[in-house]
Amino acid sequence: DQQVKQNSPSLSVQEGRISILNCDYTNSMFDYFLWYKKYPAEGPTFLISISSIKDKNEDGRFTVFLNKSAKHLSLHIVPSQPGDSAVYFCAASVRGNTPLVFGKGTRLSVIA
Amino acid sequence: ETGVTQSPTHLIKTRGQQVTLRCSSQSGHNTVSWYQQALGQGPQFIFQYYREEENGRGNFPPRFSGLQFPNYSSELNVNALELDDSALYLCASSQARERHTEAFFGQGTRLTVV
Repeated sequence: DQQVKQNSPSLSVQEGRISILNCDYTNSMFDYFLWYKKYPAEGPTFLISISSIKDKNEDGRFTVFLNKSAKHLSLHIVPSQPGDSAVYFCAASVRGNTPLVFGKGTRLSVIA
Repeated sequence: ETGVTQSPTHLIKTRGQQVTLRCSSQSGHNTVSWYQQALGQGPQFIFQYYREEENGRGNFPPRFSGLQFPNYSSELNVNALELDDSALYLCASSQARERHTEAFFGQGTRLTVV
């Protein structure tokens, strides 16, 4: 039973346009959400996070939106750049001791 | 400040053998977690160590075991290797277990069991 779901295995976007990556979760106890980016032959790199007390967090070109009632979050990348091409993982955790629970990832391809 | 490093980067083992993977956590971090990432999947939590004690375990059999040392580096041991153990093994370190903090990952060890 997947608690964190990324239903789009892949996404292609033109350079300069907006990339929107989606993530759904089922466990209402999750209260902290993170996005990681992964290049081939490298470990996941932390990108941005959001606590459940917020509905938006912005860092440069990256913005994460959280809709708690829908149990849905999204990552917006504006403008998209070719270097953003990677696999993006959504992850969630519960305050305290629990580990990160990851989705299966979405492969983003930004086309020049 | 050094990042998380893992060794070896690649490894090939035969079914039934044992393997030890190593991880040096980021400077100042006292918590280490291990994840298994199978092909096409997201990382799956194996276990976590905090100040040298196991502090949570995922749905993995006892043949997966670990250690954390006083300098907060860590080992993952897998006994009686099976073909399905072939995966990327990721180590992540973080600063504390009590509060939300992002985990920093190493580059991983690619284990192939033949």
